Amino acid sequence: QLRLQESGPGLVKPSETLSLTCTVSGGSITGSTYYWGWIRQPPGEGLEWIGSIYYSGNVYQNSSLKSRATISVDTSRNQFSLRLTSVTAADTAVYYCAREITVTGGRDYWGQGTLVTVSS
Amino acid sequence: QSVLTQPPSVSGAPGQRVTISCTGSSSNIGTGYDVQWYQQLPGAAPKLLIYAFTNRPSGVPDRFSGSKSDTSASLAITGLQAEDEADYYCQSYDNSVNGVVFGGGTKLSVL
Repeated sequence: QLRLQESGPGLVKPSETLSLTCTVSGGSITGSTYYWGWIRQPPGEGLEWIGSIYYSGNVYQNSSLKSRATISVDTSRNQFSLRLTSVTAADTAVYYCAREITVTGGRDYWGQGTLVTVSS
Repeated sequence: QSVLTQPPSVSGAPGQRVTISCTGSSSNIGTGYDVQWYQQLPGAAPKLLIYAFTNRPSGVPDRFSGSKSDTSASLAITGLQAEDEADYYCQSYDNSVNGVVFGGGTKLSVL
């Protein structure tokens, strides 16, 4: 059974960089044609797509984040990562990683999510 | 303001049928991009319920069904159960923002 697990600091100071890693187990990140993505959800609000990456490094990103977000992949560790620079309180959210059938399609496996709070 | 518009809330009694709409435009649903539906129980990650408008992943009960009409999509839930009480989100792709978009979510209450 495929499993995704987010990891990273739960508290980040304003103006600093948020870094999260998603570890994939029970399957290879290079398998088939799946993309791997990040989605976030501010407390009490809806879902927002951050971006998606293929194991080859091909990336799609949400332009509203104005290039603050960088998504990368480490196939040797079966992981992919998110870096979000210059964070503010508006970046406080539960961050989810997910497997994507296609970028435009469904996200069929999700991590449990990790809450990141931006506060001094 | 979400690119995809959902009603903030719907409700129904156990055993009844409810529908949740997802209204888009010619730059997303209307141009042929697939719509997915997710169920999010309190405190949990979203779960894929429907993909490509009408398809159910393995394990999703056939009480859940999806449909499409022009620039909108709908999720129908029949035989409503207490365990269906959750937030539901639609998702598609939009070529005017060049990205994946989610609806604002609909809270389903089972009376």
